[in-house]
Amino acid sequence: KQEVTQIPAALSVPEGENLVLNCSFTDSAIYNLQWFRQDPGKGLTSLLLIQSSQREQTSGRLNASLDKSSGRSTLYIAASQPGDSATYLCAKTNAGNMLTFGGGTRLMVKP
Amino acid sequence: DTAVSQTPKYLVTQMGNDKSIKCEQNLGHDTMYWYKQDSKKFLKIMFSYNNKELIINETVPNRFSPKSPDKAHLNLHINSLELGDSAVYFCASSQATGYSGAYEQYFGPGTRLTVT
Repeated sequence: KQEVTQIPAALSVPEGENLVLNCSFTDSAIYNLQWFRQDPGKGLTSLLLIQSSQREQTSGRLNASLDKSSGRSTLYIAASQPGDSATYLCAKTNAGNMLTFGGGTRLMVKP
Repeated sequence: DTAVSQTPKYLVTQMGNDKSIKCEQNLGHDTMYWYKQDSKKFLKIMFSYNNKELIINETVPNRFSPKSPDKAHLNLHINSLELGDSAVYFCASSQATGYSGAYEQYFGPGTRLTVT
């Protein structure tokens, strides 16, 4: 059973478009939810972390929301740029601070 | 001034061998982790470790063992390597874990292990 699911698995958009990436999780007893970016052949870069007591976090053009009751988080990217092309991963944290990852959304922003 | 570093970046070895991957963090964090990313790019936790507690994902074979010489290092030892061990292994670190909260994790660049 997949605990964390990301939809869509892949997304291609033209430059400048605003977009939303979705993450759903089955257990509402999370400690936090973290969004990462992974470039091909590279490690993970942390983008945003939302504590379970928070509803959203913002960093630049990125905004992440968390709705524990519905088991959902979204990552909103404003005014997308080609440099945003990467795989975006969401992960929930349980007791012990271990991350459970979703399968990721591969984003391609076309110039 | 890399925060979390891993060596080697690439490791190619034959079935049956024993190998180690090293991880170091200079963030002063108390907890370190190992994750495995398989060929389908799915990331899964293997271990969480601080100087008090080792938490092992129950799906990890006992051929895998973490070894921590000090707080800044967590090495991954793999015995009797199998073809299915081929993957990218990521090390990460965070401040101390706690049931009252959770902390942002910082990842290393990964080690691509290929078993032939």
